[in-house]
Amino acid sequence: ETGVTQTPRHLVMGMTNKKSLKCEQHLGHNAMYWYKQSAKKPLELMFVYSLEERVENNSVPSRFSPECPNSSHLFLHLHTLQPEDSALYLCASSQERTENQPQHFGDGTRLSIL
Amino acid sequence: SQKIEQNSEALNIQEGKTATLTCNYTNYSPAYLQWYRQDPGRGPVFLLLIRENEKEKRKERLKVTFDTTLKQSLFHITASQPADSATYLCALDMYNTGGFKTIFGAGTRLFVKA
Repeated sequence: ETGVTQTPRHLVMGMTNKKSLKCEQHLGHNAMYWYKQSAKKPLELMFVYSLEERVENNSVPSRFSPECPNSSHLFLHLHTLQPEDSALYLCASSQERTENQPQHFGDGTRLSIL
Repeated sequence: SQKIEQNSEALNIQEGKTATLTCNYTNYSPAYLQWYRQDPGRGPVFLLLIRENEKEKRKERLKVTFDTTLKQSLFHITASQPADSATYLCALDMYNTGGFKTIFGAGTRLFVKA
């Protein structure tokens, strides 16, 4: 149990569907992150939230839309995705978005786009 | 260009031996370097963090070295066990506008044979 819970664990969707990924952290952390992990590639940072404010958006296509309603919850809203968006989507949290802050990861949502 | 390189080929070792994994980087000036473990179907788990002014860090059977001149970190697991089989990721922490940025390597898969 890492203290970061992601749902669903697996998701299959068509390119025209709309779905959302959910992340919840029980660690009292102030920073939350979305990453994309494709096979044999490094984790790609997508979005960073600090105290519920988006502080980083790494040129992510607009078909991915994050939402952070409070410091414990993070969502990733998906619509009109492409086959290349199939990957493992990981949520992480850290105490602050500063140095010396290990990140705590959830177990991810395995997303498959048909 | 900026790169983090971890051996993409899997490392196979015999139980009881020392496993050594390498993380090389170019055109980065990290303030910290972290190592994570990732099991199949799970999110990464933080193992160790080392600062740029530290040469070595130990935790139980784990040892990390950080050579900012060579731009290299070595990760050692002594008396390795089959349960140590996993993918190990290195990550660089660097000062970035508004805070810190963590960049991950693609990881090295370790297999420990009984």
